[in-house]
Amino acid sequence: RKEVEQDPGPFNVPEGATVAFNCTYSNSASQSFFWYRQDCRKEPKLLMSVYSSGNEDGRFTAQLNRASQYISLLIRDSKLSDSATYLCVVENSGYSTLTFGKGTMLLVSP
Amino acid sequence: EAGVAQSPRYKIIEKRQSVAFWCNPISGHATLYWYQQILGQGPKLLIQFQNNGVVDDSQLPKDRFSAERLKGVDSTLKIQPAKLEDSAVYLCASSPGLGRRYQETQYFGPGTRLLVL
Repeated sequence: RKEVEQDPGPFNVPEGATVAFNCTYSNSASQSFFWYRQDCRKEPKLLMSVYSSGNEDGRFTAQLNRASQYISLLIRDSKLSDSATYLCVVENSGYSTLTFGKGTMLLVSP
Repeated sequence: EAGVAQSPRYKIIEKRQSVAFWCNPISGHATLYWYQQILGQGPKLLIQFQNNGVVDDSQLPKDRFSAERLKGVDSTLKIQPAKLEDSAVYLCASSPGLGRRYQETQYFGPGTRLLVL
């Protein structure tokens, strides 16, 4: 099983759609979880951290299920500017090293 | 606040040549990371420094890759000799390095795009 596995993409959605990304991780000792966003030919940037209780930031909602080792990201009312690759990231216990998934590309069209 | 600086932005070399990348982290950040991102993949950690000490280099191909952070600030990553499969974007990131109890954000530089012919 890969350390961090994400939905293969790309996801093509119209503006205003709701889209969900799924991610699973293999290391049950992992402590922290994140979603990063990477625009084409740019560096990754932190989108949001993922907390056990679930958390929301505007149109973005992240959820964590430790028992299933599953992380999700929901984007509501998609905008053209949401087009990017979304990287699921898991922090390995101990040294704050991050393991990135392959990423899921989102394309929002008019 | 200035971000993470990297140079060069692009590099084209032939296989078996040597290449070096430079990174200047955000001022005051104790932790520095080098990642390799192959097209279509997520970034893969190569090496992590805490000040000038190595915390994790388990995924660094030490037969050809080396990295140093002598004064605990700037860092260089070297490849010698380069192989075709080294073509990738090399990303440098930094974080404050406050300790394991804190969930830290890593800030990435723009990366160096390497093409090995």
